[in-house]
Amino acid sequence: DGGITQSPKYLFRKEGQNVTLSCEQNLNHDAMYWYRQDPGQGLRLIYYSQIVNDFQKGDIAEGYSVSREKKESFPLTVTSAQKNPTAFYLCASSTRGRGPYNEQFFGPGTRLTVL
Amino acid sequence: AQSVAQPEDQVNVAEGNPLTVKCTYSVSGNPYLFWYVQYPNRGLQFLLKYITGDNLVKGSYGFEAEFNKSQTSFHLKKPSALVSDSALYFCAVRAQGAAGNTPLVFGKGTRLSVIA
Repeated sequence: DGGITQSPKYLFRKEGQNVTLSCEQNLNHDAMYWYRQDPGQGLRLIYYSQIVNDFQKGDIAEGYSVSREKKESFPLTVTSAQKNPTAFYLCASSTRGRGPYNEQFFGPGTRLTVL
Repeated sequence: AQSVAQPEDQVNVAEGNPLTVKCTYSVSGNPYLFWYVQYPNRGLQFLLKYITGDNLVKGSYGFEAEFNKSQTSFHLKKPSALVSDSALYFCAVRAQGAAGNTPLVFGKGTRLSVIA
């Protein structure tokens, strides 16, 4: 899982609550990403950030928010507006250098369950 | 728009037999292609990538993949499967014209089961 940490590993949320998932990397990577994984649906992009203080919506951004105040950190907030938040959330990062063939490195994931 | 198709949700193979996990892609221009593996409740691990040049790419754990431009395919292969290869495999693509910090586009994954 490289130099990317995600916390907590398991998270339980009551309906109507906002929760924040942590993602930290020590790889000195410029870009960071959040994906949601559901059975049979693969990885769907929520948000990504190519550089500090900037981020873009992915395919399923509704009900989520992010910030990128530091290069090392890219927290994801799952808001009460997200109607079906139970899923496995994966954070990833990549370097801007060396060309567009850079692979992404993934963290170990956070499993969020709504009670 | 870029896309990846993994036509098989599940692949079953006997231990010691060769395995193939299929992937086809759609991208404007030339692609960069990637394979990842995921074990239960873990993040994705990088296996290999195709950049340019030799169409047969060798990666981690004895895996290799063959790039076929005419068929827009990038199938993952291993000559002799192990029970420990059982996992979820993802194919991903990025167009060569895209910057290195743009997201990869992933397929839906193929679950490989190797039976002893």
